[in-house]
Amino acid sequence: QVRLVESGGGVVQPGRSLRLSCAASGFTFSTFAMHWVRQAPGKGLEWVAVIAYDGNNQLYTDSVKGRFTVSRDNSKNTVYLQMNGLRVEDTALYYCARDAKQGWDNWGQGTLVTVSS
Amino acid sequence: EIVMTQSPAALSASPGERVTLACRASQSVRTNLAWYQQKPGRAPRLLIYGASTRAAGIPSRFSGRGSGTEFTLTISSLQSEDCALYYCQQYHKSWTFGQGTKVEIK
Repeated sequence: QVRLVESGGGVVQPGRSLRLSCAASGFTFSTFAMHWVRQAPGKGLEWVAVIAYDGNNQLYTDSVKGRFTVSRDNSKNTVYLQMNGLRVEDTALYYCARDAKQGWDNWGQGTLVTVSS
Repeated sequence: EIVMTQSPAALSASPGERVTLACRASQSVRTNLAWYQQKPGRAPRLLIYGASTRAAGIPSRFSGRGSGTEFTLTISSLQSEDCALYYCQQYHKSWTFGQGTKVEIK
């Protein structure tokens, strides 16, 4: 079955960096675009970034442009989110999700990022 | 950015009751609209895509309607396990979510 497992979250000071990973299994990873989406504590869902199936195109929400970079390694069935210049407002549970072209049909369990001094 | 607005913010209904959640887009998204259910401590789950198509394994009591800017999600007979937050999402231009509707059981 499809499985997405995020890792790499933690507590970090403002301005520092963190890299999240999302390991995929149970499907042909290299044929799906992948998204990162976040949810601040007690808040709603916010799309963060997407990477095309082949890694050749990426898009970002405005608030993370220039700070976050999404990448993937199809040989390792893994998508990454490099987060630099972290801000307090980046504190959230970060999910990866598979893009089924009509909706996101599989999500990981999330990894928590806390930015605090 | 396409802004998605959901109403009501919360509702409470009795088991077996029919409930309808609304979602409005700030501009037309055609039928590029999905609904997700999120239970506490869990990841969201895809319920509906293409505004009206149930995702795999979703019970038939869930149905979606609409196109353009106005959409609804209906639960025909509310069950206790349907207590959750429900989000609409447009994927017509980029991706944006509504703020969610919390469904509770009386």
